[in-house]
Parts: sequence; C-alpha cells; structure tokens
Amino acid sequence: EADIYQTPRYLVIGTGKKITLECSQTMGHDKMYWYQQDPGMELHLIHYSYGVNSTEKGDLSSESTVSRIRTEHFPLTLESARPSHTSQYLCASSEYIRTDTQYFGPGTRLTVL
Amino acid sequence: LAKTTQPISMDSYEGQEVNITCSHNNIATNDYITWYQQFPSQGPRFIIQGYKTKVTNEVASLFIPADRKSSTLSLPRVSLSDTAVYYCLVAPMEYGNKLVFGAGTILRVKS
Repeated sequence: EADIYQTPRYLVIGTGKKITLECSQTMGHDKMYWYQQDPGMELHLIHYSYGVNSTEKGDLSSESTVSRIRTEHFPLTLESARPSHTSQYLCASSEYIRTDTQYFGPGTRLTVL
Repeated sequence: LAKTTQPISMDSYEGQEVNITCSHNNIATNDYITWYQQFPSQGPRFIIQGYKTKVTNEVASLFIPADRKSSTLSLPRVSLSDTAVYYCLVAPMEYGNKLVFGAGTILRVKS
C-alpha cells in the first residue's frame, strides 16, 4: 500500500487568506500531481511534477501554485483564497515505471467563506 | 488521449457479479487501460490495468477484446462496500503521461 499524506484533511477559511495544502509521499516517486474535484464531479488535473524543480500546469486552469524542492514534498499554495476555490484537492504520486499507477492521498476539502 | 465512454450509473445487489463496460474506440497502439475506484471523500484507488486479453487480480478481472475498442471491468460477488465510482482510463505508459479522469460510473450495491 502506498504512503501519501495530505494535510489538512478539512480547512475552512475566509476570503483573502493565503493557504498552503501539504502533500508528502514516502515512496520516492518522481512524479506527483494535484487534482481538483467538486462533489460528484470529475477530477481535473491542475498541476504536476516530473521531479525536483519540475512543475507544470495541468489541463484545468488554476490560480494556485506549486513547488517541488524535495522529491517527497509537493505543496500547493493559494495566495488569496476565494469562494470559487471551494473544492476537494487530491494529491497523487507515481513511479516512473511501465505501469505508471497513481497513488492518491485522502484529499483536502477546502471551504472558502 | 483516447476518449472513454462509460455508463453513468449501475445498480446491483449483494453477491452478484457486476460488469462495467468502457468504450474507447480511438485507443492507440501504445495505450494501456486502467481502472480506478473512488469512495466518497477519498482519493481514487488503482484496481487493475491491462493491455489485451484478460487480466485478473484479487479484486477484479479486466476483459479486453482483440480490437481493444472496449474493455469490461468485472467485479465478482459485490458487497455493499463496493459502492463507489469506477473510472476507466486509457493512456500510454510513457514518461510525462497525464491521466484524464472522466465522469466514471457510479455503482450502487443494494442489500
């Protein structure tokens, strides 16, 4: 079973606050991803990383930013949260092997008031 | 990336076998077929992956016909805990690959 962690699990904040969602994995995986998912809706890729110092934007435009300074850590930051950012944020990682299975964290449910 | 089509929802009863079919008419030669399962308020979980013919693991079986334009996820003897959303993904296994999750199939298992 893969070990990928996200904190916090739930976050309720006011508009305009800066927030950072944490994601860490202990498998040494090179590739990491951030998805956004509204309740009952599809997952949308918003950021991904091939490795340290590599970050790319995903298919869904997002006002968030990410960094990848260490292999195991892939935090997502919102400089000024808005109600439109209310959603579930899922982090995943995968090893660069043939099967490329993605392992997901439990998610952070963000509510911006 | 190949587009996939799955039923929006399916209902079943405990103990039955459930088959969820996914259509992917424009699958490419180097594409693999992968299925994920997602419970409410959790991240998706890998179930099974295959390229052709049949793949079986402790959780499910995956049937892929010779033309690979569709695939069927088979869940033997489902239980209430199998109620979840099931996603079919088709993508090449190569560096830099991005997975595209569609709407998935909501499976409801009833007692």
